Amino acid sequence: AQTVTQSQPEMSVQEAETVTLSCTYDTSESDYYLFWYKQPPSRQMILVIRQEAYKQQNATENRFSVNFQKAAKSFSLKISDSQLGDAAMYFCASLTGTASKLTFGTGTRLQVTL
Amino acid sequence: DVKVTQSSRYLVKRTGEKVFLECVQDMDHENMFWYRQDPGLGLRLIYFSYDVKMKEKGDIPEGYSVSREKKERFSLILESASTNQTSMYLCASKKTGGGNQPQHFGDGTRLSIL
Repeated sequence: AQTVTQSQPEMSVQEAETVTLSCTYDTSESDYYLFWYKQPPSRQMILVIRQEAYKQQNATENRFSVNFQKAAKSFSLKISDSQLGDAAMYFCASLTGTASKLTFGTGTRLQVTL
Repeated sequence: DVKVTQSSRYLVKRTGEKVFLECVQDMDHENMFWYRQDPGLGLRLIYFSYDVKMKEKGDIPEGYSVSREKKERFSLILESASTNQTSMYLCASKKTGGGNQPQHFGDGTRLSIL
């Protein structure tokens, strides 16, 4: 069984600063994917970034990047130059192989202050 | 863009009622999912479907059933609603293809059982 752990229920960052959200996971599979999803107050969940486990290079999407430490089973999200629109609930999730089921963490609520 | 539409944003029902939550997607996705989202628990999978008339139990199927008579529509049914089923319900869909295909989410239905 897969588990995903987010140990930070809430985080706060000042506008234009950088923040890192933590995530650890546990899986016995060698083929898996990791995701960060964002859920703004409007509630629709959207995909922020995705990482294939077999790729050593950390994924990057504009201001969002990950630090994927496979041996430590760690998958943190770094948001650079934080903006007010980044305020949301962030969920880390994992998926193994060809399965379509995601396992989610409990989420981190990010506040962005002026 | 993929559109996943949930029939209601807010719904209030009474204990013992049979409740239907509807979800429709417009991108011919094979896979569809129902989650419930509770504070501190993240998203938990209730049921999912790989294809028309196919369904599989997720992590918390008790008290729920589903129906997928057409590819685009996936219904969640609360056979006899109870107060502990008060929650946010999220529907998602994706194409077959494991982690290469992201899940797309609807806006959610906030269900209150009185």
